[in-house]
Amino acid sequence: AQSVSQHNHHVILSEAASLELGCNYSYGGTVNLFWYVQYPGQHLQLLLKYFSGDPLVKGIKGFEAEFIKSKFSFNLRKPSVQWSDTAEYFCAVKIGGGSYIPTFGRGTSLIVHP
Amino acid sequence: DAGVIQSPRHEVTEMGQEVTLRCKPISGHDYLFWYRQTMMRGLELLIYFNNNVPIDDSGMPEDRFSAKMPNASFSTLKIQPSEPRDSAVYFCASSLADWGHTGELFFGEGSRLTVL
Repeated sequence: AQSVSQHNHHVILSEAASLELGCNYSYGGTVNLFWYVQYPGQHLQLLLKYFSGDPLVKGIKGFEAEFIKSKFSFNLRKPSVQWSDTAEYFCAVKIGGGSYIPTFGRGTSLIVHP
Repeated sequence: DAGVIQSPRHEVTEMGQEVTLRCKPISGHDYLFWYRQTMMRGLELLIYFNNNVPIDDSGMPEDRFSAKMPNASFSTLKIQPSEPRDSAVYFCASSLADWGHTGELFFGEGSRLTVL
């Protein structure tokens, strides 16, 4: 079974700082990749996803992620964070074309100071 | 479109009581998932259904937990008897098995359970 690792459990940044959250997975075949965001007190919602094509994926609110197959990684980035980006971020991986069940990472808590 | 609807949003109960959490998935979705979120364990998949049939319940922690999906528009997660360590936020999510195999999950607002 695939596993998903998010190495940063807690990240604290000041506004305007750049963000990169790491995500690595263990499956060697075709994968579909997701980043979900959970704002304080809210449910998880999709931030961006990768299925095929351009490995650099643009999401909502200025977020992007890059799929690097050779590194089994799908890191999330944002050039300049805002206070409103304070949230929990989850990486998820699904085996492409097969199971509909994604595996979620442990999550990274991001706090942005104004 | 209405999203995934869960009830109750908050439940406070005493140890030993029965708890029933409810979920209405997005109409037309084939898959329904129950997750539990805690500070200690993060997001855990408890059970999921495909076309109302339970497929994998290996994440259900104990026999005190049970889940049903009597029809395509309704599912319940029951804890009987409840214990303080069951305190968590329980999320329901649904997904559509479309030809793109997108696998995107749509989450409900969650049910925050506190067992005293």
